[in-house]
Amino acid sequence: GDQVEQSPSALSLHEGTGSALRCNFTTTMRAVQWFQQNSRGSLINLFYLASGTKENGRLKSTFNSKESYSTLHIRDAQLEDSGTYFCAAEDPGNTGKLIFGLGTTLQVQP
Amino acid sequence: EAAVTQSPRNKVAVTGGKVTLSCNQTNNHNNMYWYRQDTGHGLRLIHYSYGAGSTEKGDIPDGYKASRPSQENFSLILELATPSQTSVYFCASGGTGQNTLYFGAGTRLSVL
Repeated sequence: GDQVEQSPSALSLHEGTGSALRCNFTTTMRAVQWFQQNSRGSLINLFYLASGTKENGRLKSTFNSKESYSTLHIRDAQLEDSGTYFCAAEDPGNTGKLIFGLGTTLQVQP
Repeated sequence: EAAVTQSPRNKVAVTGGKVTLSCNQTNNHNNMYWYRQDTGHGLRLIHYSYGAGSTEKGDIPDGYKASRPSQENFSLILELATPSQTSVYFCASGGTGQNTLYFGAGTRLSVL
């Protein structure tokens, strides 16, 4: 959506390499969530951040609410990391609504 | 692990027919959501709910109704289905406070 801008829209990586995905917000958001949509179409929650940095295995995410952006770093990419990654920000009005970006499609190649 | 179950997984409907998509969650979450996913639009919020008896309009509610008869169940109703409602529909649940969302597997709806 307009309030949540994701980049890049598409990304190709070789196995073992890494990169960063980014979300920019046009207004202050309360929190951010990152999801992976896998090849079966399932949406899997990766991170919830109200601030700071979280790490889980080969994934690390940061949310800078003051500068209105969030990043998702993938290191040592594996074939199963392929899919579409969405960030979603919590509506600043505390309604419980999440505003989704349009996603980054990641293809990991051997 | 949070569990959100959608039914049916696939549905073919005729224009003008009534369609009901069902969602059940076993996590005792207060919040539930219906999104649709279309190429070029990402996920768009149709209706959501804060608890049993509550329904709220999302960003694209026209042509849809919602019903939350209990904490566990949240339905999306298309009274008069149109081809423009052909899409993949996702239900999600989340708690209050840290509102981590858990999604169902999705329902692929085709309106002919």
